[in-house]
Amino acid sequence: GAGVSQSPSNKVTEKGKDVELRCDPISGHTALYWYRQSLGQGLEFLIYFQGNSAPDKSGLPSDRFSAERTGGSVSTLTIQRTQQEDSAVYLCASSLVAGITDTQYFGPGTRLTVL
Amino acid sequence: KQEVTQIPAALSVPEGENLVLNCSFTDSAIYNLQWFRQDPGKGLTSLLLIQSSQREQTSGRLNASLDKSSGRSTLYIAASQPGDSATYLCAVRDSSYKLIFGSGTRLLVRP
Repeated sequence: GAGVSQSPSNKVTEKGKDVELRCDPISGHTALYWYRQSLGQGLEFLIYFQGNSAPDKSGLPSDRFSAERTGGSVSTLTIQRTQQEDSAVYLCASSLVAGITDTQYFGPGTRLTVL
Repeated sequence: KQEVTQIPAALSVPEGENLVLNCSFTDSAIYNLQWFRQDPGKGLTSLLLIQSSQREQTSGRLNASLDKSSGRSTLYIAASQPGDSATYLCAVRDSSYKLIFGSGTRLLVRP
């Protein structure tokens, strides 16, 4: 079946602009995660959604970052007033449930470049 | 705070060689450990997942071991091939369901 998809694959924006990144998880997966992969920082957790529960936002680096998940499926990560340090690859993952035995399946990522 | 370290950062081997990638973590209170592969410009592909109660997992030419008490895992690749060239990432899951990643090992298998 289809894997996790993300759009756009690449995004170039100017400093100060807002951007929206989209993630379509695997159908039926109730848990959805956002991670960021930047040079010198490795891969870091941003936020996760599980069903209708309140999301775990503990990894969001600032209040310029927000995410929502509509209808328990598609998720959008929004970065307001982008800064150059926001340049990174943003990866989305989903899993069947957020349990200890699940495997997270990752999308191809969105490469964000802030000029 | 959990920290995950991978050694070496980069590795270059001739085709056919057996090799070992290392991963260490500072807090042994993990739920599972996962090994991923990442190809340039691509997402992550899960290779093996070891539960905290398990000692090892095998898939084809790959074998991953876990020693939770010492905070170590190894990924063994047998008879390496050029197609194995990629970055290999180790990640541990803590009680909050987050994956905490190491910085990866870049592997190059030379024909």
